[in-house]
Formats: sequence, structure tokens, C-alpha cells
Amino acid sequence: QQQVKQSPQSLIVQKGGISIINCAYENTAFDYFPWYQQFPGKGPALLIAIRPDVSEKKEGRFTISFNKSAKQFSLHIMDSQPGDSATYFCAVVVMDSNYQLIWGAGTKLIIKP
Amino acid sequence: EAQVTQNPRYLITVTGKKLTVTCSQNMNHEYMSWYRQDPGLGLRQIYYSMNVEVTDKGDVPEGYKVSRKEKRNFPLILESPSPNQTSLYFCASSLSWGPGNTIYFGEGSWLTVV
Repeated sequence: QQQVKQSPQSLIVQKGGISIINCAYENTAFDYFPWYQQFPGKGPALLIAIRPDVSEKKEGRFTISFNKSAKQFSLHIMDSQPGDSATYFCAVVVMDSNYQLIWGAGTKLIIKP
Repeated sequence: EAQVTQNPRYLITVTGKKLTVTCSQNMNHEYMSWYRQDPGLGLRQIYYSMNVEVTDKGDVPEGYKVSRKEKRNFPLILESPSPNQTSLYFCASSLSWGPGNTIYFGEGSWLTVV
């Protein structure tokens, strides 16, 4: 049973455009929502993360929008660049002693020059 | 340089032949874990360790073993590999566990079981 649903599976955006990736979760016990970026041949790397007490967090061209009532959060990449081409994963952290990460299925983003 | 190192990076093996994927981190991290990554499923946790001699099962532990005899090392053992264990494996570590602790990943180990 997938607790985090990520969409779209793949996304093609023109250079300079806005890339938007969405995630929806079911369990309200999560308390940390990170996004990871993975380049081919590399492990995932933390990109940006948010806690549920804020609705938005911005770091450079990357913004997380969080909607607690809808149980959704999204990643926005402004002024998308070819170097942003990667696979993006959302994740949620289970609020127990393990603090396990539960991952979305990933979105392959391609930025066309 | 702070890093998580896994070996081998690529391996093709036969069904039933025991293998070990090593993982080492040089950041004095307490928390280490293993994930497998499969298309359409994201990453799924196999085992994790909160400290030396403390290990526990993740979501998909069947067919795997781990040990944590030293803080820096966390090998993944496949006692009798089967084709459904063909996957991309990642070792990861963090200073501790809990929200806000950045998880660092190795570069991955591609394992094919024929």
C-alpha cells in the first residue's frame, strides 16, 4: 500500500519554465516532508524540506508548497535549467522512534534547452 | 571528504551464491540504513541501524541480513540471492535519526541475480 503518491511520473519542461511535482499522503502522523534530487549514477541528495507548521519554504529557485488540510505538498522549480534534469523524490517521515522515510515513486524531469 | 562508500558498484551473480555489499561512512554517523530502488516503487528500506550492535527490519527485509559491529561499517548480506533481488541498492547514513537529520547516500550498487 503506497502511503505517498507522487505525480507525474515524468515531466518535460522548456528551459526557463516552471516545473511542478506533486505528492499526496494519507497518514496525518507525518511531520517532515523532504524532497530529494537524484542524478543518474548517483544516490539521492536532500534538496529541500518542510515541516507541517509552515505552508511554504523557498530556497533559491526551489519552493515547497504544503497544504496540510488537503494532505498534499508540491515542489516548484522556477526558471528551470537543463542542469535540473534529474529524478525527484518526495518523502515523508513517520513519527515514531524509527523516523523512517517513506518515499514517493519518483518523477523524471527533463528540461529541454 | 565526507562520504558513504559502497562496494561493489556493479555485480552480476547467480541464484543462491552468497554475496555481501559493503558500506562504509567516514562521518561518525550513528544511523545507517539500506534501501533498494526499483522502477515505479521509489526507495524501500531494507534494514536500519541506530547504533553499533543495534539493527532492525525496514519494509522489505526478507532475504537480507545486516550487521553493525563497528560504527562506520554496515554490510548487506544476501545469503541466497534470488532473481527478485535484482535491484539498485543504496546505503545511507545520518548523524542521528529524526526530522531534520540530513541523510547521505552512497552512489548505489547495481545487483543482477541470474
